[in-house]
Amino acid sequence: GQNIDQPTEMTATEGAIVQINCTYQTSGFNGLFWYQQHAGEAPTFLSYNVLDGLEEKGRFSSFLSRSKGYSYLLLKELQMKDSASYLCAGLNSGYSTLTFGKGTMLLVSP
Amino acid sequence: NAGVMQNPRHLVRRRGQEARLRCSPMKGHSHVYWYRQLPEEGLKFMVYLQKENIIDESGMPKERFSAEFPKEGPSILRIQQVVRGDSAAYFCASSPLAGNEQFFGPGTRLTVL
Repeated sequence: GQNIDQPTEMTATEGAIVQINCTYQTSGFNGLFWYQQHAGEAPTFLSYNVLDGLEEKGRFSSFLSRSKGYSYLLLKELQMKDSASYLCAGLNSGYSTLTFGKGTMLLVSP
Repeated sequence: NAGVMQNPRHLVRRRGQEARLRCSPMKGHSHVYWYRQLPEEGLKFMVYLQKENIIDESGMPKERFSAEFPKEGPSILRIQQVVRGDSAAYFCASSPLAGNEQFFGPGTRLTVL
């Protein structure tokens, strides 16, 4: 398994850009996922990185550095509906299960 | 194409009773994963199953908890003799292949009185 660390909470303003960081132990690593979870709802998939570099998908981008055990999720043009918990998850090699961080609660204010 | 379905959405049990949580994966998905989420905590992996096989149960408590994914029908997570500490949201996820994106169901919120 892996330890996944991410900040507990962040605040940002509508229309701004925010970067949510995630660090992990590199042993047994096979890829990194980001999920969004609104309160009381199921997590929904945002992105998956297996190679180093930046993956862009609309307003959301995700970056991975395997050598540094580091990833970030970048959210642009923030909207109020982006207020949610953002979960970083490492894909364990072998059985392909996910180890989740505790999530970063993002609050977007007007 | 229906998503991952879980039922019941809410389940209330008294201490000592049994809880049975059901999960129907997305059509075409043969890999099922169960997670538990406690208040203010992250999702914790419990068990990974394929049809009729438990692949990884390293996150499952050794006692009172069991899971199955029969050839026909939904996957079942069973908790015997529930205690207050079992109160949590239990999420099921499915994927078409191992290592692919996992799609989550809406969860079952278990409350133990």
